[in-house]
Amino acid sequence: NAGVTQTPKFQVLKTGQSMTLQCAQDMNHEYMSWYRQDPGMGLRLIHYSVGAGITDQGEVPNGYNVSRSTTEDFPLRLLSAAPSQTSVYFCASSDRGLQYGAGELFFGEGSRLTVL
Amino acid sequence: SQQGEEDPQALSIQEGENATMNCSYKTSINNLQWYRQNSGRGLVHLILIRSNEREKHSGRLRVTLDTSKKSSSLLITASRAADTASYFCATDKSNGGSTLGRLYFGRGTQLTVWP
Repeated sequence: NAGVTQTPKFQVLKTGQSMTLQCAQDMNHEYMSWYRQDPGMGLRLIHYSVGAGITDQGEVPNGYNVSRSTTEDFPLRLLSAAPSQTSVYFCASSDRGLQYGAGELFFGEGSRLTVL
Repeated sequence: SQQGEEDPQALSIQEGENATMNCSYKTSINNLQWYRQNSGRGLVHLILIRSNEREKHSGRLRVTLDTSKKSSSLLITASRAADTASYFCATDKSNGGSTLGRLYFGRGTQLTVWP
């Protein structure tokens, strides 16, 4: 079982370039999310999705776009990269979870992005 | 702002000692979770405790939850060098209904266990 797969693992961009971080899960999880991790800041929620066709914003959505056309895939698009988006990005998924409360998150290994 | 905050930011102990990390949060929650992250890797779920539970055990892990103080603690007993990692608490926010699976993380505690 592959779990959550993120690509690419490393990427260097120039300011203003766009790119897409890919995330795929093979656990048939309804819930998927993107976090960014910066030194001293912990993980911050960017966008999340509760199922195909449904997405919503997290804590830090500006500069990012998402879509969820299938249950398996949840790509994160950087529209015009800025140095402030240099970070490690994590994709995570979970099943429907508890009736009231978030379920256990399964994380990918991360995508390390540097914007020059 | 962060929903959860871990304390201390860094903890250094010898093998065999116990490690205690604390987490404080701001709003009512449905559950609280603890995760571990080895350097350069993704996070791995350790344990989940519901808001109506006060204590939970899993192997060498013991988690307590005090909803009146909005705090939790993670105790790792008989630490090993392999326990060296960052530990994060994560909370959802209860608004009386489903939280839609959103989890909010703290900044983490870096635990170093020396052989």
